[in-house]
Amino acid sequence: EVQLVQSGAEVKKPGESLRISCEGSGYSFTSYWISWVRQMPGKGLEWMGRIDPSDSYTNYSPSFQGHVTISADKSISTAYLQWDSLKTSDTAMYYCARHDSNYGWFDPWGQGTLVTVSS
Amino acid sequence: SYELIQPPSVSVSPGQTARITCSGDALPKHYAYWYQQKPGQAPVLVIYKDSERPSGIPERFSGSSSGTTVTLTISGVQAEDEADYYCKSADSSGTYVVFGGGTKLTVL
Repeated sequence: EVQLVQSGAEVKKPGESLRISCEGSGYSFTSYWISWVRQMPGKGLEWMGRIDPSDSYTNYSPSFQGHVTISADKSISTAYLQWDSLKTSDTAMYYCARHDSNYGWFDPWGQGTLVTVSS
Repeated sequence: SYELIQPPSVSVSPGQTARITCSGDALPKHYAYWYQQKPGQAPVLVIYKDSERPSGIPERFSGSSSGTTVTLTISGVQAEDEADYYCKSADSSGTYVVFGGGTKLTVL
């Protein structure tokens, strides 16, 4: 079964750093990109960026460029989303998704990681 | 920045046909994809490349494209179809992925 399993919920304070993870299984991890998607409370989906785990090439949405870092460790089939200094406005659910570069679809999605930033 | 425009809400009675539109200037150049998201769950792909249906998705889900508008059609709507639906495509350059604002489908 193809699946993406994300790390657990996080509660952080403004200014703290954070890295969340997304582990793929049931498929060749380097044959598909991983995209990250933000969903703020009660709001819609926003694409943040993607990584090609085979060479770690990244492409960020202009809205998120410089605010987050996407990386991957292909040896353990895991992608990461990282913040150096969190803000309260980063409070959201974050999803990773397997991104097929040929068909363009996002499938499957991880279960989501809830990040809460509060003082 | 590029936008995909969806109606905020659509309401239908069980057994009727629901149509959810998504409009964007670059849709003639790039495929559209549709995702269903139920409360508290991750999104699920229901249509890819404008009109293709993944395995496991009921036949009542279909997609179509005409010019700058794509449409998700759900025929014979069931109560279980009540969810938020998002279209997805790319900007004109094909560099960036863009989601529509989402449409809440209510089954009356």
